[in-house]
Amino acid sequence: GESVGLHLPTLSVQEGDNSIINCAYSNSASDYFIWYKQESGKGPQFIIDIRSNMDKRQGQRVTVLLNKTVKHLSLQIAATQPGDSAVYFCAETHHNYGQNFVFGPGTRLSVLP
Amino acid sequence: DGGITQSPKYLFRKEGQNVTLSCEQNLNHDAMYWYRQDPGQGLRLIYYSQIVNDFQKGDIAEGYSVSREKKESFPLTVTSAQKNPTAFYLCASSTTGRGYQPQHFGDGTRLSIL
Repeated sequence: GESVGLHLPTLSVQEGDNSIINCAYSNSASDYFIWYKQESGKGPQFIIDIRSNMDKRQGQRVTVLLNKTVKHLSLQIAATQPGDSAVYFCAETHHNYGQNFVFGPGTRLSVLP
Repeated sequence: DGGITQSPKYLFRKEGQNVTLSCEQNLNHDAMYWYRQDPGQGLRLIYYSQIVNDFQKGDIAEGYSVSREKKESFPLTVTSAQKNPTAFYLCASSTTGRGYQPQHFGDGTRLSIL
């Protein structure tokens, strides 16, 4: 999910397929990461988080993978549904930074019927 | 249901006018935050407050002001000094303390210029 100015990168997937959304984070000291889902006209919704002492965490239909070596985070959504269409963005912080997160610009997921 | 309520959903500002965006939470969270969201960019922190009667500037505080007189309320005023106020404004809250605390967001206020 690199920023491309005013236009977000878009991922289009067929309904029922798996989706993989990527995020390159900026600070090698970051030790806590969150994925948010934002539907049009609404606020971001917490999906899943992961700490840096883990490299994988699973939720309901979602999996987050963390590769600290290359500062890369990914969100995998299994059996993508129309209701998954939204902008997804990652957030990073270090637990000593209080609540000061750095947010990525996001990737727009479009689910095709 | 516990949550964060932002109002109004849409707001229009005239030249030279100050406008205030409301944010109320019933999650009993100590910390509250205001972010600005522009197309194609990540959220940018305007102000945050870790405790009642105390708040700190974020990365883009110029042209904005806040107050935190009650734990559940954190209003944001967009002043006439903010020359480019058109954006989607998001309020968030979280618990505090050491460790890992996710932020939870309201549904935003969209501010436009008349």
